Amino acid sequence: DTGVSQDPRHKITKRGQNVTFRCDPISEHNRLYWYRQTLGQGPEFLTYFQNEAQLEKSRLLSDRFSAERPKGSFSTLEIQRTEQGDSAMYLCASSHRTSGYNEQFFGPGTRLTVL
Amino acid sequence: AQSVTQLDSQVPVFEEAPVELRCNYSSSVSVYLFWYVQYPNQGLQLLLKYLSGSTLVKGINGFEAEFNKSQTSFHLRKPSVHISDTAEYFCAVSRTLNDMRFGAGTRLTVKP
Repeated sequence: DTGVSQDPRHKITKRGQNVTFRCDPISEHNRLYWYRQTLGQGPEFLTYFQNEAQLEKSRLLSDRFSAERPKGSFSTLEIQRTEQGDSAMYLCASSHRTSGYNEQFFGPGTRLTVL
Repeated sequence: AQSVTQLDSQVPVFEEAPVELRCNYSSSVSVYLFWYVQYPNQGLQLLLKYLSGSTLVKGINGFEAEFNKSQTSFHLRKPSVHISDTAEYFCAVSRTLNDMRFGAGTRLTVKP
C-alpha cells in the first residue's frame, strides 16, 4: 500500500494558463476527494467521487474547475484560465467502504503558484 | 451548514508539558468529529475520530479528545508532549463523512 500520490508536487504557471493535476488513490479506495488549502487555512472541500461518479461539488468549484475520474481509479483536476487567487495547495484524499468511509487518507498535495 | 473554530492559531509548549488544543463546532444536526495532524511537507494524517458512543476518544501518538455536546466542543489533549509533536493540527466536522469542514488549524510548537 503506497498511499495516495499526487503529481506534480509543485506547479508554477502564468495567469491565464490551464493546469491539470493528477491524484492516484490507495488501491481499491472507491471514494476520492479534492480539497484546496490556502496559506494559514484548513483544507476546503471541493468535490468527491464514488467510483467514476462525481457526487458532490462545492460552490468553491467555479466553472473554470473540472474534475474527472474516468475509470474509477485515478482522478484529474483541471483549472482553466488560472487566476492569482487560484494559488493554493490542492489536496487529494481517498476512503474505502470497509471503514465506512469514516477515514480519509490524504496525499502530499500539489502546490500551485500562479504568477 | 456545519463549521469549526479552532480557538488558538499557535500554541507553544515545553517538552513533557501537557497540552490542550481547543476546537468548537456549530451544527444544527448530529455530526462526526475528527482531528488531523499535518507534519511539514507531508499529507494530513488522522489522529482520532468521534463517530458515536463514548465521548472520550483515544487516538494515535498518545492523543485523546473529548466530545462535549452541550459545549459543542471537541478539544484535543496530550498529557506529555515530545519535540516530534511539533506540527499543524486541524479539527474537522462532517455531517455525512463526505463533506468535511476543517478549522483554520493550530500550530503546536514544542520547545526543549
